[in-house]
Amino acid sequence: NAGVTQTPKFQVLKTGQSMTLQCAQDMNHEYMSWYRQDPGMGLRLIHYSVGAGITDQGEVPNGYNVSRSTTEDFPLRLLSAAPSQTSVYFCASSYGSQGASETQYFGPGTRLLVL
Amino acid sequence: GNSVTQMEGPVTLSEEAFLTINCTYTATGYPSLFWYVQYPGEGLQLLLKATKADDKGSNKGFEATYRKETTSFHLEKGSVQVSDSAVYFCALSPYSSASKIIFGSGTRLSIRP
Repeated sequence: NAGVTQTPKFQVLKTGQSMTLQCAQDMNHEYMSWYRQDPGMGLRLIHYSVGAGITDQGEVPNGYNVSRSTTEDFPLRLLSAAPSQTSVYFCASSYGSQGASETQYFGPGTRLLVL
Repeated sequence: GNSVTQMEGPVTLSEEAFLTINCTYTATGYPSLFWYVQYPGEGLQLLLKATKADDKGSNKGFEATYRKETTSFHLEKGSVQVSDSAVYFCALSPYSSASKIIFGSGTRLSIRP
């Protein structure tokens, strides 16, 4: 059981470039979510999904897109990277559609630097 | 709106000291409350949770009690160890929107041998 995996671990982008952060889980969890962690601000919810084909916005969705075509995968897309998106990104999953109120399992994170 | 406020760090203690990390929240209704812990270089892990007033969550010697009257969920441990050094996050999931979670800013804890 790999749990929640994220790739890449670290990425440097130039302003305006696009990229996809990958997230996968092998626990058959319905709920998946993306957070960004910035110094002194805790984690903030970007987007979440309560099941395949269903996504919704969190607290800070601007500049990010998501899709959920399978239960296992929940990629996060940056269409045109900006320096303000420099952060550490965490993916998480939990069992059941009321996911945030259940135990969430976090991936190891992706550190993104936008120049 | 919903929010979580926790004591600022860093907090530095000697091994075997008593630990309290304060957390207060603002929310309507009865949110679920959590403490997550982040060890260096890792993602967050759930430490404990409570889903209704007066519930006590406990794990690995840590405890926190859901106090509706004071809107608090303070984290305590009677005797800390060096291995407890980490960042601790208080969080809530609103009753009206259980798909969302709001984290506090985190408290860094360092334990001296």
